[in-house]
Amino acid sequence: GQNIDQPTEMTATEGAIVQINCTYQTSGFNGLFWYQQHAGEAPTFLSYNVLDGLEEKGRFSSFLSRSKGYSYLLLKELQMKDSASYLCAESGNTPLVFGKGTRLSVIA
Amino acid sequence: DTAVSQTPKYLVTQMGNDKSIKCEQNLGHDTMYWYKQDSKKFLKIMFSYNNKELIINETVPNRFSPKSPDKAHLNLHINSLELGDSAVYFCASSLGLGGYEQYFGPGTRLTVT
Repeated sequence: GQNIDQPTEMTATEGAIVQINCTYQTSGFNGLFWYQQHAGEAPTFLSYNVLDGLEEKGRFSSFLSRSKGYSYLLLKELQMKDSASYLCAESGNTPLVFGKGTRLSVIA
Repeated sequence: DTAVSQTPKYLVTQMGNDKSIKCEQNLGHDTMYWYKQDSKKFLKIMFSYNNKELIINETVPNRFSPKSPDKAHLNLHINSLELGDSAVYFCASSLGLGGYEQYFGPGTRLTVT
């Protein structure tokens, strides 16, 4: 997790849009994962970006800029059930390295 | 159901004891992992096996010993448990190493008293 930086906590309102940023070290980089983890549960896969650009998957989109070592997860039309931790993870020459996660609280 | 399963889900034990956690996946994956998630929710890889062979062994005390009897199973044995071992341990599997989605088991919450 020392190579990956993401905000610790974020709060957003139901129905709004929120962007969770992640920066990582670019050496040996292969791709960038996003996982969602609800409290007391296992992480579940959201997205994997290898190429630059935005990939959309329903209400969730993920963006990658390889040259900047930067990614973000965009959540639209927020719902209460989106309250969870969001982990970015770097895939490369080393084993998958997870960031410390961003705990998102969605409020009414 | 196709999934990654772990047993037990909860494990409470005293310092100095030896315990095992079992993991099985029926996804036909070649690669399996053990992760530790501490109280600060930091998820860190401990071991990775590919086709029953140890690939990754991060800086983990040698009290922790993984065993993979076949591709579908990766068990974790812990000797001489310490207070600092208290955490949630997740097993995961993927098609292969590198850029493959990992499927996580439900986790084993270990509490050492």
